[in-house]
Amino acid sequence: DARVTQTPRHKVTEMGQEVTMRCQPILGHNTVFWYRQTMMQGLELLAYFRNRAPLDDSGMPKDRFSAEMPDATLATLKIQPSEPRDSAVYFCASGTWTPFFGQGTRLTVV
Amino acid sequence: AQTVTQSQPEMSVQEAETVTLSCTYDTSESDYYLFWYKQPPSRQMILVIRQEAYKQQNATENRFSVNFQKAAKSFSLKISDSQLGDAAMYFCASHAGGTSYGKLTFGQGTILTVHP
Repeated sequence: DARVTQTPRHKVTEMGQEVTMRCQPILGHNTVFWYRQTMMQGLELLAYFRNRAPLDDSGMPKDRFSAEMPDATLATLKIQPSEPRDSAVYFCASGTWTPFFGQGTRLTVV
Repeated sequence: AQTVTQSQPEMSVQEAETVTLSCTYDTSESDYYLFWYKQPPSRQMILVIRQEAYKQQNATENRFSVNFQKAAKSFSLKISDSQLGDAAMYFCASHAGGTSYGKLTFGQGTILTVHP
């Protein structure tokens, strides 16, 4: 059963700490996305990669967020330093014409 | 740029009945794709149905079907024989083809309640 796998599912951290979220896309999918979901903003695209190359990260706060794809089976999203306003659900999705989503990482920054 | 609008914040339906969720979109692209995703309380985003804009035939997946009106830029979701497990937030989304394919723009969502 092919699926996008995200870890961790839940993360509680203190303000100022580094947070790393990981995503394993579905094998064979050449495009990987990071989305953020909040009550106020809804679902927002943070960054995406095609064939491991970053194509667009304009939705990401550059000073504290970074996204990488070190190999075809792993995408990472890092926040350093984290702030309370970063509390949200972060989704990874992969696909070609149709994005399939992971279960999300619920991040709480206190 | 694409925009997606869901004008119904909440909808409710009786079990076994039919409900239609509305979605309108705007795009300047000729090649685009439309989707409905379901988000239950577990927060998993589950693909319900998809429609390629170049296809005139409305997509159908079991109890789920769409009414795609290209000229009106309307893309509604019909759920037939509603089940308790259909209760969730439903998001309409779209992306353009070409180099932007996969970059989804989402509507605000519609919360669907199913009454037994």
